Amino acid sequence: ETGVTQTPRHLVMGMTNKKSLKCEQHLGHNAMYWYKQSAKKPLELMFVYSLEERVENNSVPSRFSPECPNSSHLFLHLHTLQPEDSALYLCASSHGGLAGVNEQYFGPGTRLTVT
Amino acid sequence: AQSVAQPEDQVNVAEGNPLTVKCTYSVSGNPYLFWYVQYPNRGLQFLLKYITGDNLVKGSYGFEAEFNKSQTSFHLKKPSALVSDSALYFCAVRDLQSVNAGNMLTFGGGTRLMVKP
Repeated sequence: ETGVTQTPRHLVMGMTNKKSLKCEQHLGHNAMYWYKQSAKKPLELMFVYSLEERVENNSVPSRFSPECPNSSHLFLHLHTLQPEDSALYLCASSHGGLAGVNEQYFGPGTRLTVT
Repeated sequence: AQSVAQPEDQVNVAEGNPLTVKCTYSVSGNPYLFWYVQYPNRGLQFLLKYITGDNLVKGSYGFEAEFNKSQTSFHLKKPSALVSDSALYFCAVRDLQSVNAGNMLTFGGGTRLMVKP
């Protein structure tokens, strides 16, 4: 409905597993984002890709690894996660650029549970 | 640095009454301000934004927001609340002087709006 799709919608994984989250946007945008939404915490920006340049939040643990093969697709590779990584992971896209003031369009999110 | 605060975790209002969801911000330069809404099990949806111009901004679903520079506020309002407005509302700010690539927003913690029949 918003032009941004995310798969899977739900994921349960053990701490030793490796999995990937996928995001795809059909809006012709050139910036894509990963956010983490935990209970009782503000939305946390994890990674940004804009005009194929990655802007990284240095506080994100290395067990999260993004990949942006083109302007329409964004992945978040997960490995050796911790239970505290359980959260809703949201993907968003927008027209980007240094002077961009454009609204972001969000996908429905992937609900991740780490056991 | 930029920051945004939503002082109320929850706002309760009766259907048909006016509603206000509060937001205050802090930026170094001029702000770009946004409101988003999140319904259960969904991503965030854009409601409205302020860039420049009229201090009163009109958005989707009958919502509006008033930019007040002296009070550094951007409160969300609606004249008559509907039960279907019940959701989580997020205020966000971007500093015009931000030099990072992309459109880097800082979000508030969210306010849950409960509209009762």
